[in-house]
Amino acid sequence: GNSVTQMEGPVTLSEEAFLTINCTYTATGYPSLFWYVQYPGEGLQLLLKATKADDKGSNKGFEATYRKETTSFHLEKGSVQVSDSAVYFCALSTSDYKLSFGAGTTVTVRA
Amino acid sequence: SAVISQKPSRDICQRGTSLTIQCQVDSQVTMMFWYRQQPGQSLTLIATANQGSEATYESGFVIDKFPISRPNLTFSTLTVSNMSPEDSSIYLCSVDWGSDTQYFGPGTRLTVL
Repeated sequence: GNSVTQMEGPVTLSEEAFLTINCTYTATGYPSLFWYVQYPGEGLQLLLKATKADDKGSNKGFEATYRKETTSFHLEKGSVQVSDSAVYFCALSTSDYKLSFGAGTTVTVRA
Repeated sequence: SAVISQKPSRDICQRGTSLTIQCQVDSQVTMMFWYRQQPGQSLTLIATANQGSEATYESGFVIDKFPISRPNLTFSTLTVSNMSPEDSSIYLCSVDWGSDTQYFGPGTRLTVL
């Protein structure tokens, strides 16, 4: 079956630090990969996506590259801000369009 | 951009009662889904809401407990029936416009006493 394994948190960083959140997956076929973000008290927002190997998704300074050889989709940002404090979810979908989510990683950025 | 709304945004209910959550989209969508997010946990898919027919439930979820309707291409409801404190969660609908990308509503935060 499909599954997503995400780096456990919580992660605490100082402003302007580099952020990496690891995500690996197991899937049959060729999944699409996503990062969603949940700010405190809000619903999920799509952060970025990639649909095939070597695709790079990017948004708001965040990037993730679809690595088929390592079945990974790690999220990175070069310089975080306090406003990036949120829970980040890695997810995948396959041909049935259903999303499978990782456990989520809580990120806190301190000024 | 399209708007996805949910009603109510939050509610506090007594055990044994039922609550119906609405999901409304301002444009027609291909697919609609319902998820549950238990406190401090990730999201779990409850079911796919099928337009004009019975929903498709995931393992561990049954129609008697979570009846779902989808009368048209922009609206769906999820009912949480005979509630217990274990049903306290955030319930989220999501939609897909046929691009293999799901967009989520703001969620309904349910507390069962």
